[in-house]
Amino acid sequence: GQQVMQIPQYQHVQEGEDFTTYCNSSTTLSNIQWYKQRPGGHPVFLIQLVKSGEVKKQKRLTFQFGEAKKNSSLHITATQTTDVGTYFCAGRSSSNTGKLIFGQGTTLQVKP
Amino acid sequence: NAGVTQTPKFRILKIGQSMTLQCAQDMNHNYMYWYRQDPGMGLKLIYYSVGAGITDKGEVPNGYNVSRSTTEDFPLRLELAAPSQTSVYFCASKGGGNTEAFFGQGTRLTVV
Repeated sequence: GQQVMQIPQYQHVQEGEDFTTYCNSSTTLSNIQWYKQRPGGHPVFLIQLVKSGEVKKQKRLTFQFGEAKKNSSLHITATQTTDVGTYFCAGRSSSNTGKLIFGQGTTLQVKP
Repeated sequence: NAGVTQTPKFRILKIGQSMTLQCAQDMNHNYMYWYRQDPGMGLKLIYYSVGAGITDKGEVPNGYNVSRSTTEDFPLRLELAAPSQTSVYFCASKGGGNTEAFFGQGTRLTVV
């Protein structure tokens, strides 16, 4: 079945350092979405990528969707303590667009 | 606009007991999902529904049942609670196409 893998599982950075999390799917995706979950909270939508090779930016966050639509990345430039949380990618397979599968998430800790 | 509402927020069950986790959304979304999140882990899809009367298994359906008699409600049933079902359960809904998923606040379930 469809699998979405995300690495690394944890990342500790010093405030001001950059951070990247990678997402890989076993199947071609119709789109990829990214969510953020603050400690004790629920996942909240950040952004969606649909087109092959698409790149989107939200202030210090840069999101990429691979050419084959099977991988994606989230890069944060100059992390801040407010970036702390778990970042999830989620994808819907091209063959079953009803099913929304999440990666394992990357938990980011930022030391001030 | 309440969004996605889950009840209860917390519950302690004894082994072998049964319960229903309630989920309701007021956004007229066709797609609804149940996920479980174990400590430090990602979101695993239990069941999902693409519309009233239609449900399908996710990644970890064993020990659970669902129904979708209306667009608004998507209850999750645990028949014989086991310690392995101790987790945080999230319900989510989304509209059709490339739209974001909205999550409820979660239900923290402990089976002892």
